[in-house]
Amino acid sequence: DVKVTQSSRYLVKRTGEKVFLECVQDMDHENMFWYRQDPGLGLRLIYFSYDVKMKEKGDIPEGYSVSREKKERFSLILESASTNQTSMYLCASSSTLPTDRNQPQHFGDGTRLSIL
Amino acid sequence: GESVGLHLPTLSVQEGDNSIINCAYSNSASDYFIWYKQESGKGPQFIIDIRSNMDKRQGQRVTVLLNKTVKHLSLQIAATQPGDSAVYFCAETARSNDYKLSFGAGTTVTVRA
Repeated sequence: DVKVTQSSRYLVKRTGEKVFLECVQDMDHENMFWYRQDPGLGLRLIYFSYDVKMKEKGDIPEGYSVSREKKERFSLILESASTNQTSMYLCASSSTLPTDRNQPQHFGDGTRLSIL
Repeated sequence: GESVGLHLPTLSVQEGDNSIINCAYSNSASDYFIWYKQESGKGPQFIIDIRSNMDKRQGQRVTVLLNKTVKHLSLQIAATQPGDSAVYFCAETARSNDYKLSFGAGTTVTVRA
């Protein structure tokens, strides 16, 4: 089974702090994603990465950055946390097959982040 | 932008009955669809997927139907069990979106004993 592990289940930080959320996958997947999930808004894509050192903006990248130094690890960074970044953050990964680029994303159990 | 939506935000079903969860999408170029299940306190769990060259796909107790003419997707769960209580999401992507999924808001399924 695919295993996507997020380092913290719950996290409380203060406004203005720099926050790091870590995600590790054990299936040698090329693609990794960060989403946030808010009631009534569904899952929204923040950033994604096709490969090591590569990153692409999703739909709501403002206030966030990412780092992918190793294939298995994808970090989300809140440069200066604000209260509107209180949310559930979900990491996902997927593979790329030579003949079929559409593959399911597999998710971690999320980090519930509260910014006070 | 394109949107993916579910017809009903909640669904209550008697244990043992079949459940049908519906989803409408608006992007006629969408070519890959996924259903996810999210239990309380957990991340979305992959259930089943279907590609646009198929109309139907079956898994264990689940069937996904795709009607490209009306841009409609459904998930059927046979003999619904208490463990099926969760939020169910449909998601879709088009070739032009390359790996980016668009998610619906979710349907909360509650199984009555």
